[in-house]
Amino acid sequence: QLVLTQSPSASASLGASVKLTCTLSSGHSSYAIAWLQQQPEKGPRYLMKVNSDGSHRKGDGIPDRFSGSSSGTERFLIISSLQSEDEADYYCQTWGSGTWVFGGGTKLTVL
Amino acid sequence: EVQLVQSGAEVKEPGESLKISCKGSEYSFASYWIGWVRQMPGKGLEWMGTIYPGDSDTRYSPSFQGHISISADKSISTAYLQWSSLKASDSAIYYCARAEHMTTMEYFYHWGQGTLVTVSS
Repeated sequence: QLVLTQSPSASASLGASVKLTCTLSSGHSSYAIAWLQQQPEKGPRYLMKVNSDGSHRKGDGIPDRFSGSSSGTERFLIISSLQSEDEADYYCQTWGSGTWVFGGGTKLTVL
Repeated sequence: EVQLVQSGAEVKEPGESLKISCKGSEYSFASYWIGWVRQMPGKGLEWMGTIYPGDSDTRYSPSFQGHISISADKSISTAYLQWSSLKASDSAIYYCARAEHMTTMEYFYHWGQGTLVTVSS
């Protein structure tokens, strides 16, 4: 079964970097995922697609501070030079065989 | 610029029916998969189902199959999410979202603004 697992929360200081993790279920290490950002009281926004080889493709207007990488069944979102507006919920999403799946989301707090 | 514009907020009573809409513009509506996503208060995103307007091929999440109906009218570039009998637990924000690439089952790139549905007696 295709499942995505995320830690419920993360925190980092203003100006620092943070690495969020999305883990694919066993047997799905070849799957790409997409990262979404949801700021408070707003709808989701596409950030980037991260492939199994670590390559990533960002959406229009997404700052260079956002990047992605992969290792095995883990897909990462790295945010550098954290800003206050990065405080948000971050979701990963994947798809396959006619089904779509979201991770439970990580709430990022910028200290 | 691609836009997905959803219908406005709804307040309904349990047992009532409801159909909400998502109108696409500035792209070839029939050629892109569109999905519906639920977000209950204070909770995460849940995939409900996805439709390809070109031929109405529709895929449902097992969690929602039988309780919702997804459809599309490509002549007016609009996708729909429908309930025949609402429950209080259907109270949520519902988003429509479109795949990035034509004819491709993939991640949701463009998102609507969301429709708040409140079901209460």
